[in-house]
Amino acid sequence: AQSVTQPDIHITVSEGASLELRCNYSYGATPYLFWYVQSPGQGLQLLLKYFSGDTLVQGIKGFEAEFKRSQSSFNLRKPSVHWSDAAEYFCAVGAGNFGNEKLTFGTGTRLTIIP
Amino acid sequence: DTEVTQTPKHLVMGMTNKKSLKCEQHMGHRAMYWYKQKAKKPPELMFVYSYEKLSINESVPSRFSPECPNSSLLNLHLHALQPEDSALYLCASSQVMRTGSYEQYFGPGTRLTVT
Repeated sequence: AQSVTQPDIHITVSEGASLELRCNYSYGATPYLFWYVQSPGQGLQLLLKYFSGDTLVQGIKGFEAEFKRSQSSFNLRKPSVHWSDAAEYFCAVGAGNFGNEKLTFGTGTRLTIIP
Repeated sequence: DTEVTQTPKHLVMGMTNKKSLKCEQHMGHRAMYWYKQKAKKPPELMFVYSYEKLSINESVPSRFSPECPNSSLLNLHLHALQPEDSALYLCASSQVMRTGSYEQYFGPGTRLTVT
């Protein structure tokens, strides 16, 4: 069965500083990987995804992530954070074909931005 | 229109009540999902409908009964719930792309409180 580990429960970053959120996955085949963001009491918004091809993927809001098979990692990065980036971030691995796909989420990383 | 809508936003119900949650999308997506998210936890998959047929049931108790009347609509019927069922219930939809990849779009959720 697939699993996702997000080692950092809470990260605090100064506005304008760079950000890296860690994600490690466990899956027997080529993984489908996702990063979602959730503001308090809201649904999840997809930031980016990796299915195949280029291991560096670009997403919305200036985020990018790099898939490293050798390290089973899919870390999320942003060169300069904004106060509006404060939220909960979830990494997820997808298994199964369309219509039967199951997303397994990590426990999340809460991002706080300080002025 | 890239939106998944959910009604109601909030619901308070007693343990003997019967209520329903509604989810709607008009993106032409043919797979729809119900997730349950407890406070400070990641979403957990409950059900998947593919082409209006139930394809995954993650061993959810029978007091939760999903229904997919058509390709745009997904309901979750609730009956005789327990206080521990209080959570944010998220609906999502997805469509397969030409590349074979997919991504799930989430609604804002229904905050359910069982008293």
